Amino acid sequence: EAQVTQNPRYLITVTGKKLTVTCSQNMNHEYMSWYRQDPGLGLRQIYYSMNVEVTDKGDVPEGYKVSRKEKRNFPLILESPSPNQTSLYFCASSSTGSGYTFGSGTRLTVV
Amino acid sequence: AQSVSQHNHHVILSEAASLELGCNYSYGGTVNLFWYVQYPGQHLQLLLKYFSGDPLVKGIKGFEAEFIKSKFSFNLRKPSVQWSDTAEYFCAVRFLGAGGYNKLIFGAGTRLAVHP
Repeated sequence: EAQVTQNPRYLITVTGKKLTVTCSQNMNHEYMSWYRQDPGLGLRQIYYSMNVEVTDKGDVPEGYKVSRKEKRNFPLILESPSPNQTSLYFCASSSTGSGYTFGSGTRLTVV
Repeated sequence: AQSVSQHNHHVILSEAASLELGCNYSYGGTVNLFWYVQYPGQHLQLLLKYFSGDPLVKGIKGFEAEFIKSKFSFNLRKPSVQWSDTAEYFCAVRFLGAGGYNKLIFGAGTRLAVHP
């Protein structure tokens, strides 16, 4: 089954403790991206990657890092999480001419 | 700058009423257009998409949307809503450019509540 898998689904952490949210797709898509969803703001792009080793900032990249060492994986790294990064995060992938497939989301709470 | 606007943040309807949700974007170049639905506590599901061809697109669950290029609009419609359509709806636009550039931008979303 074609899918985007995110882990974990829920995470509560403390300020400053580094964390990684994983994202993996099995569709051989070139393009992957991360979004955060906040009430009244829709989904805002954090980072995106057009292919292996090619990443670029989205609209709200501050406080986040990404890497794309393999085509299927696109982890989101928070080096020093802060409470304003409490949000619902979605990973998505697509290829030219296709729509986007979204992961199930990761609800992150930073206390 | 590229942007996507959804006109209504909250819509309340009775069952069997007709629905139209507005979506406009700002960009003169090539775009792909999407509507997604998010049911409470769930992830995004694709309702329909437009890449090219017939500007009237039919999607799942009885939804349709019309692309009007001259108005930069892609409004979502359903003739008769059901209680189960209660959800948040997002318009999204993929902006395409040279060198494989593509960026997907979402509108702020419209919360639809359908009362029995």
